[in-house]
Amino acid sequence: AQSVAQPEDQVNVAEGNPLTVKCTYSVSGNPYLFWYVQYPNRGLQFLLKYITGDNLVKGSYGFEAEFNKSQTSFHLKKPSALVSDSALYFCAVRARSGYSTLTFGKGTMLLVSP
Amino acid sequence: EAQVTQNPRYLITVTGKKLTVTCSQNMNHEYMSWYRQDPGLGLRQIYYSMNVEVTDKGDVPEGYKVSRKEKRNFPLILESPSPNQTSLYFCASSFTSGSSYEQYFGPGTRLTVT
Repeated sequence: AQSVAQPEDQVNVAEGNPLTVKCTYSVSGNPYLFWYVQYPNRGLQFLLKYITGDNLVKGSYGFEAEFNKSQTSFHLKKPSALVSDSALYFCAVRARSGYSTLTFGKGTMLLVSP
Repeated sequence: EAQVTQNPRYLITVTGKKLTVTCSQNMNHEYMSWYRQDPGLGLRQIYYSMNVEVTDKGDVPEGYKVSRKEKRNFPLILESPSPNQTSLYFCASSFTSGSSYEQYFGPGTRLTVT
């Protein structure tokens, strides 16, 4: 069975500092990997995804994520955090072969302080 | 505007009173899915549909029903709601299942069963 681990329930960072939100996964074969963000009282919004190719993926709002196959990780990063980045972030994985559900992690709350 | 809509956004009901949460998308997506979001558990899939008249169980289907009579609509039915179904529900859609396509989420329906 596939799974996603987001080891931190909450990440605190000061505005202007770099941020990292961690994600590791387990899946049979090669994965498709996704990051979504959820702002208060809103649905999930797609940020970025890894399909193939370059291990560094760039997405919306200045976010990027690095796929590391040997460590089965897909950490979300941003060079300079904004207060408006404060939200709940979800990592998700899907196996490439056949039909596979999209499995989400439990989410990491990012709090950026002014 | 491309979107997934859900109704109602908020619902308070009593145990055993049948209810339906509607979901509609205007992007001609084949794949639609229902999730529930609970604190500390992330998103868990309830049911999904790969196309019209094709539905299947997700990870937590007990107590729920769905139908897919039209491509754009995917209602979630709780025939006899119970308090453990109090949750935040999201509908999502994408072009195909088992693929690299990201899912588009509705704004959510917060359900309280007393």
